[in-house]
Amino acid sequence: QQPVQSPQAVILREGEDAVINCSSSKALYSVHWYRQKHGEAPVFLMILLKGGEQKGHEKISASFNEKKQQSSLYLTASQLSYSGTYFCGILRGDSNYQLIWGAGTKLIIKP
Amino acid sequence: DVKVTQSSRYLVKRTGEKVFLECVQDMDHENMFWYRQDPGLGLRLIYFSYDVKMKEKGDIPEGYSVSREKKERFSLILESASTNQTSMYLCASSLLGGQTNTEAFFGQGTRLTVV
Repeated sequence: QQPVQSPQAVILREGEDAVINCSSSKALYSVHWYRQKHGEAPVFLMILLKGGEQKGHEKISASFNEKKQQSSLYLTASQLSYSGTYFCGILRGDSNYQLIWGAGTKLIIKP
Repeated sequence: DVKVTQSSRYLVKRTGEKVFLECVQDMDHENMFWYRQDPGLGLRLIYFSYDVKMKEKGDIPEGYSVSREKKERFSLILESASTNQTSMYLCASSLLGGQTNTEAFFGQGTRLTVV
């Protein structure tokens, strides 16, 4: 039931683009994206709701493909500050409260 | 500045001890959550609470209990700590209305080592 994130890790040079995927075997109602820097608390990036709407946050945007049961996070012209582990969370179909989290994608940005 | 505060960043406890992890939020949120974070497994929900004295089990409640006597405080209790409970524990809170459209705010985490 846990969403599958890919890739597990990615190393980029500053300025390069990255895509992180989050796939579910069950129908998606919403997808939440968070970033956690080493030794810090996870921080909210965005929520995407059913309907395929694409959202943006600085140079980070995301899409929600209901048909594919997948969300993708796009990091454009990555900055050093983007380094961290990115988690997606999907709402459990039988709950209004519980998110099920992916294992995370570790992003390393090198100068 | 909104805040979720966990009482300890690091804890070392002995096997069999009763362990209390405390979490306080200052945002008047109804929902509070305890997660366990292990490498390669992401965040796994232990318990959550949507109101004072209310609690619901998450995915991995075995060996844990919780207490919510006041709205701002949510405690995680390890009844008899075991080495397989060595982990990072994260507390979070959010507004009522579920997690469909509300962000969660996380504490800094407590790294618990059971020896």
